[in-house]
Amino acid sequence: AQSVSQHNHHVILSEAASLELGCNYSYGGTVNLFWYVQYPGQHLQLLLKYFSGDPLVKGIKGFEAEFIKSKFSFNLRKPSVQWSDTAEYFCAVNSMDSSYKLIFGSGTRLLVRP
Amino acid sequence: DAGVTQSPTHLIKTRGQHVTLRCSPISGHKSVSWYQQVLGQGPQFIFQYYEKEERGRGNFPDRFSARQFPNYSSELNVNALLLGDSALYLCASSRVSGSYEQYFGPGTRLTVT
Repeated sequence: AQSVSQHNHHVILSEAASLELGCNYSYGGTVNLFWYVQYPGQHLQLLLKYFSGDPLVKGIKGFEAEFIKSKFSFNLRKPSVQWSDTAEYFCAVNSMDSSYKLIFGSGTRLLVRP
Repeated sequence: DAGVTQSPTHLIKTRGQHVTLRCSPISGHKSVSWYQQVLGQGPQFIFQYYEKEERGRGNFPDRFSARQFPNYSSELNVNALLLGDSALYLCASSRVSGSYEQYFGPGTRLTVT
């Protein structure tokens, strides 16, 4: 069965620190990859997505993610975090043979201290 | 443009009751998906509907059912509620069924006592 693993459940950083959140998936076929963010009190929002092409994708608010097919990974990065990045981050995958559903990781709670 | 809307925002039910949750997709979106998010976990897929037909179903019991209306809005029904059904129920819409990003609503918080 397909699954998504997010290695860090809680991350605490100071402002201006660099961020990398890990995401690994288990599926051998073609996948689409997503990162969603949920700010406190708000609904899930799409941060960035990868369908095909350049494996380094840029999203909103200075976030980027790199798809490494050989490692089944899609890690999220930001060079310098801000207090406003405090949120929960979810990695999600859908595969071409069951494209109707997103499979989510368990999420990473990021706290950025001012 | 209005985003995905869901009603009600919060709901408290007792075990054994049934519940109906409602979702209106973004204008122009024809596909609606439902997810259950239990506290501390990521959303889990329940159903997807496209053009009023079920396109996919997750690993949920038959107590869970859904339908989509001609205006593309959708209802999720849960019968014989259990304590374990307490969760945030999320609706997401997308333009078509398949490999397109989904846009999520704010969710309905269901508490079963």
